[in-house]
Amino acid sequence: EVQLVESGGGLVQPGRSLRLSCAASGFTFGDYDMHWVRQAPGKGLEWVSGLSWNSGSVGYADSVKGRFTISRDNAKNSLYLQMNSLRPEDTALYYCAKDLHSSKSSDFGFDSWGQGTLVTVSS
Amino acid sequence: QSALTQPASVSGSPGQSITISCTGTSSDVGGHNYVSWYQHHPGKAPKLMLYYVSNRPSGVSDRFSGSKSGNTASLTISGLQAEDEADYYCNSYTGRSTPWVFGPGTKVTVL
Repeated sequence: EVQLVESGGGLVQPGRSLRLSCAASGFTFGDYDMHWVRQAPGKGLEWVSGLSWNSGSVGYADSVKGRFTISRDNAKNSLYLQMNSLRPEDTALYYCAKDLHSSKSSDFGFDSWGQGTLVTVSS
Repeated sequence: QSALTQPASVSGSPGQSITISCTGTSSDVGGHNYVSWYQHHPGKAPKLMLYYVSNRPSGVSDRFSGSKSGNTASLTISGLQAEDEADYYCNSYTGRSTPWVFGPGTKVTVL
């Protein structure tokens, strides 16, 4: 069974940094693309960032470009999101999501999700 | 503000069929078939319902189907059930600086 467990969220002041982690199990982590998706209170889903299985392709939403950095450690089955210069509008529940796309599949779709970790940016 | 457009809400009675639209442009929805749909019950993790416009992952009911015409993709729920009441989001590859985008979401109510 695929499991994704996010951690690292919390209350942080504007302008500060936070690093989110996602621990993966139940599948060959290093074979799959991974993403971060967030949901602000009362709002819809927003794609934040994605990283290919081999870290060769990376993407960011315009709203976080230059401030957030996605990375992965395939040896530790872990995905990370380094968030710098945080703003109140970054307040959201952050989900880690596994993609169907892999070293062996050309399909795209976020087929497994964690329960999320809450980030609150406030003074 | 999302680059994709969805109706804010759709409702139907049990057993009926409803359709949710997702309208984009020739750069996203109309430019390829990397369109997926997600069901989200409040407080739970989102669930992939369809990918590549109309493909169902294992375990998803065949009451859920998808199609696309031009710049608009659609999700149809047949034989509406109480458990289908949730928020539904479309997602598309954009080919732009932000490669993936979600629609604003549609709240489905079962009357």
